[in-house]
Amino acid sequence: DIVMTQSPLSLSVIPGEPASISCRSSQSLLHSNGNNYVDWYLQKPGQSPQLLIYLGSYRASGVPDRFSGSGSGTDFTLKISRVEAEDVGVYYCMQVLQTPPLTFGGGTKVEIK
Amino acid sequence: EVQLVESGGGLVQPGRSLRLSCAASGIRFGDHGMHWVRQAPGKGLEWVSGINYNSVYIAYADSVKGRFTVSRDNAKNALYLQMSDLRSEDTALYYCVKDMCYHNPTDFCALDVWGQGTTVTVSS
Repeated sequence: DIVMTQSPLSLSVIPGEPASISCRSSQSLLHSNGNNYVDWYLQKPGQSPQLLIYLGSYRASGVPDRFSGSGSGTDFTLKISRVEAEDVGVYYCMQVLQTPPLTFGGGTKVEIK
Repeated sequence: EVQLVESGGGLVQPGRSLRLSCAASGIRFGDHGMHWVRQAPGKGLEWVSGINYNSVYIAYADSVKGRFTVSRDNAKNALYLQMSDLRSEDTALYYCVKDMCYHNPTDFCALDVWGQGTTVTVSS
């Protein structure tokens, strides 16, 4: 199974400042079609997870453009250009290249400083 | 409005069975794969099972293989998870989740619609 490792475990950010979360996979997630099969999710406090980014860098419908995904192969990054109070929660990366199983990272908790 | 509503959770003794249901509305249910993802109390997300749009491709996590069975009824816009031989480690909030891809025969994609979840507690 592909193991997804996120860092840091938690992040405290000043509103308006940028934030960055790293996700590393134990095997390459680069498909022969050129897409990286990694997605990013945000679980806000008390809510269900929501899709932010799919195929490494494509924003899901309704996701603000301050969120961006990048990376290729085994190293991926989710960036928030200017953190807002509503961005608090736990962020997860997930791979869908080699399934089953779909595997999630352990999560990164983002809070406002 | 796009909605996935889970039901069927509850308190059950170890070794017993439980059937979860998910009612979908506002989506073209029969065109998309579906999944169950669970979250143990205070823990992260764990994929449990997935089923493609026409039930030809079904997959399970090793932790539930042989004990859980996923199925769907496209005529009823419903997804099910039959859980048997339940263990304490199955205690979790179970989410019904829609796969983003359309008519994909053998692969899974991003999970773009999530229900609110139904809680399963396995305890004597």
